[in-house]
Amino acid sequence: AQSVTQPDIHITVSEGASLELRCNYSYGATPYLFWYVQSPGQGLQLLLKYFSGDTLVQGIKGFEAEFKRSQSSFNLRKPSVHWSDAAEYFCAVGANTGTASKLTFGTGTRLQVTL
Amino acid sequence: DAGVIQSPRHEVTEMGQEVTLRCKPISGHDYLFWYRQTMMRGLELLIYFNNNVPIDDSGMPEDRFSAKMPNASFSTLKIQPSEPRDSAVYFCASRPQTGLGVSGYTFGSGTRLTVV
Repeated sequence: AQSVTQPDIHITVSEGASLELRCNYSYGATPYLFWYVQSPGQGLQLLLKYFSGDTLVQGIKGFEAEFKRSQSSFNLRKPSVHWSDAAEYFCAVGANTGTASKLTFGTGTRLQVTL
Repeated sequence: DAGVIQSPRHEVTEMGQEVTLRCKPISGHDYLFWYRQTMMRGLELLIYFNNNVPIDDSGMPEDRFSAKMPNASFSTLKIQPSEPRDSAVYFCASRPQTGLGVSGYTFGSGTRLTVV
């Protein structure tokens, strides 16, 4: 069964500082990996995704993530955080077959940005 | 595109009452998913449909929960009778048939259910 672990429940960074959110996954084959962001009272918005090719993927809002198969990780990074990045971030893994199409989400990391 | 539309945004009901949550997926999307989000359990997949057919309902917590998709543009999630522990945010999401890796999911804004 596929699973996702986000070891950090809550992270606080200063505005302008760099950010790295950790994500580890478990899946028997090549996974599809996603990062979503959820602002308070809102639904989940897709930041970026990986399913093949270059292991460093770029997303919206200046975010990037790197797929490392050897470490089963897909960490999210941003070089300089803005106050508007404060939100909850979810990593997700999906199966790469048409029939098993569901995403499994991690428990999320809440990002607080101090000014 | 209006995105995935859920209604109502907020629902407060008394224990024992029937609750119906509604979802309109993005036109042309063949998959529809219902998730529940709570502080304790995070995001849980309840059920998903492909071309209006339920594919996996193993996440539906109890028989009190039921979901239908009578056509490609509408789905409902019903709880009868509702209980306080059903209080959560319920999300609907959809995606096209073209492949999970290509598109990911598009989520609605959710329905916040409070059962008192």
